[in-house]
Amino acid sequence: DVKVTQSSRYLVKRTGEKVFLECVQDMDHENMFWYRQDPGLGLRLIYFSYDVKMKEKGDIPEGYSVSREKKERFSLILESASTNQTSMYLCASRRQGVEDTQYFGPGTRLTVL
Amino acid sequence: AQSVTQLDSHVSVSEGTPVLLRCNYSSSYSPSLFWYVQHPNKGLQLLLKYTSAATLVKGINGFEAEFKKSETSFHLTKPSAHMSDAAEYFCVVISEDSNYQLIWGAGTKLIIKP
Repeated sequence: DVKVTQSSRYLVKRTGEKVFLECVQDMDHENMFWYRQDPGLGLRLIYFSYDVKMKEKGDIPEGYSVSREKKERFSLILESASTNQTSMYLCASRRQGVEDTQYFGPGTRLTVL
Repeated sequence: AQSVTQLDSHVSVSEGTPVLLRCNYSSSYSPSLFWYVQHPNKGLQLLLKYTSAATLVKGINGFEAEFKKSETSFHLTKPSAHMSDAAEYFCVVISEDSNYQLIWGAGTKLIIKP
């Protein structure tokens, strides 16, 4: 069974704080993704990584950065959290060349006060 | 630009009655299409996928979807709803510009009445 885990299910931070969201997958997948999910907007891609130390901007990268130092771990960083970054954050992974199936973590619900 | 439109934000059906969740897409060629399901407090799960083989695709939990190119639709159906089907459903297409990216519909919440 593919497993994608995220470091926290719920997180509350204050405006201006630096926030780290961690994602780990155990299936040796090359590709990893960070999305945010907001009601009525579906999932929007923030960043993705097609391999270690590789990253590409998605549709809404502003205010975020990422780090992929090891294949199994993909971190999302909010350098200075703002209230409009309150959202559900979802991590996913996928085997390179298998476009059709992404495996998702349970999500982190981040609230920025 | 490519897009996916889920025509209903909420669908409410009685247990035991048919389910229809509607999805229309725009694409310049025959796309790869998916349905994902998200149960409350659980991660997203792939329900079924269409990748240019048979136009009628069967998925898990008794769901199926039919790809209709002439109507640019990929509607999700189930003959008889069960209480455990209550969830949010997302229609998704692979981006033409990058096979890394998925384009997501806004989601449809399925409510099952006892």
